[in-house]
Formats: sequence, C-alpha cells, structure tokens
Amino acid sequence: EPEVTQTPSHQVTQMGQEVILRCVPISNHLYFYWYRQILGQKVEFLVSFYNNEISEKSEIFDDQFSVERPDGSNFTLKIRSTKLEDSAMYFCASREDPSYNEQFFGPGTRLTVL
Amino acid sequence: AQKITQTQPGMFVQEKEAVTLDCTYDTSDQSYGLFWYKQPSSGEMIFLIYQGSYDEQNATEGRYSLNFQKARKSANLVISASQLGDSAMYFCAMRTSGSARQLTFGSGTQLTVLP
Repeated sequence: EPEVTQTPSHQVTQMGQEVILRCVPISNHLYFYWYRQILGQKVEFLVSFYNNEISEKSEIFDDQFSVERPDGSNFTLKIRSTKLEDSAMYFCASREDPSYNEQFFGPGTRLTVL
Repeated sequence: AQKITQTQPGMFVQEKEAVTLDCTYDTSDQSYGLFWYKQPSSGEMIFLIYQGSYDEQNATEGRYSLNFQKARKSANLVISASQLGDSAMYFCAMRTSGSARQLTFGSGTQLTVLP
C-alpha cells in the first residue's frame, strides 16, 4: 500500500541553525501539507502546496519557513534560524485530488532544537 | 474561523466494551468534512473515518462509527468492542471548504483500554 514517507525520523539541531525536513508524498497525489505538533498539544496546520505553489498558509508559517518541491517526488520544509520553540513533531500529508478528502499522513519528523 | 472542541482529555474503557469520544465543531461553512485520526504512542497519525456534511448516513468503518448530529454540530466517534490496541490519542478534525482543504484539529482525547 502506498504511503507517505519522511526523513529523518529525528533531527537534533542547535538554535540558529537551518534544517530541512524531507517528505515523499504518495506518487499520484496532488496536494501536499505540513503540520506541526508541539509535544502534548494538538496538531496545527502550517502550509498547503498545490501546482508548485503555496495555496494556503497559517500565521505560524512566517518568513522563517519555506517549502519546495525540488523534483517530482520530494516535498521539503525548510526552517531557517531555528528557535527553541520550533521543537515539535512535523508531519507531512498528501491528498489525491480535488474531490478526494482523506489526507494521508507520514510518520513525522521529531525536531529537537537545543 | 473553524473550531473543533474535544472536552474529554482522557477516557477509560474496559476491553470489549463500546466507548464514545466526543467532538463538537463550529463553522460557518455549509460544506465541510469531519475526520477522526488515531495517534498511538509511536506518534504516527492514522486515518479512521470521514463524514461529509451532506452525507445522510452516519459513516462506519469496521468497529468505528461516527455519530453525526448536524443540528447539534457534533461528530462523536464510537468504537465498538474495544481492544487493548485501541489505547491511543484520538483527534477529531475538520477540513476547510476551500480548495486546499487543510485540517483543523481538536485537542485530542487519550483513550486507555483496560484489560
């Protein structure tokens, strides 16, 4: 069964460093998402991506964040100059087409900022 | 703005019994969708069930059913015949009506199934 994959599973970084979180969505899916879950809290939407551009973003997704689909398979989230409060689980998700509702989530990347 | 409320931070249920996890929502959209996801301690998000606002029948998926009461704006998850493996965090979520259809999540309910 096709699935969303994410790498790495755990990333530790120093405050102020840049990190890139990688996702491979399901191959025929068209919509891609990043969500964040701070430990013990609810899952929060960051950004959605369709047709090679951002379609929606939340107030969390400020200039510190960027997304890219550098090739036909990868979808990345870059966090510049990480802060302590960026420590969280980051989930990538993908959805098939406009008429399909279910979002398939990846296993997540746990980011720890020291 | 959309809002999802889950008022039960934690629930306990005996193995083989049924349990209902509450979810209420608020939206001004006429078209919307409601989801339930399961998050075990390993952290992944597992899709359980979906209900569209125009669906007349309550959604069912195996042991999971969604008790959708549109007038009351509630979308409770019912798990029948609970199993030890059902112990997890459960999140209710709503999709937006725009083309992006991103999800807004509730705060979750931690379910513990007792042997």
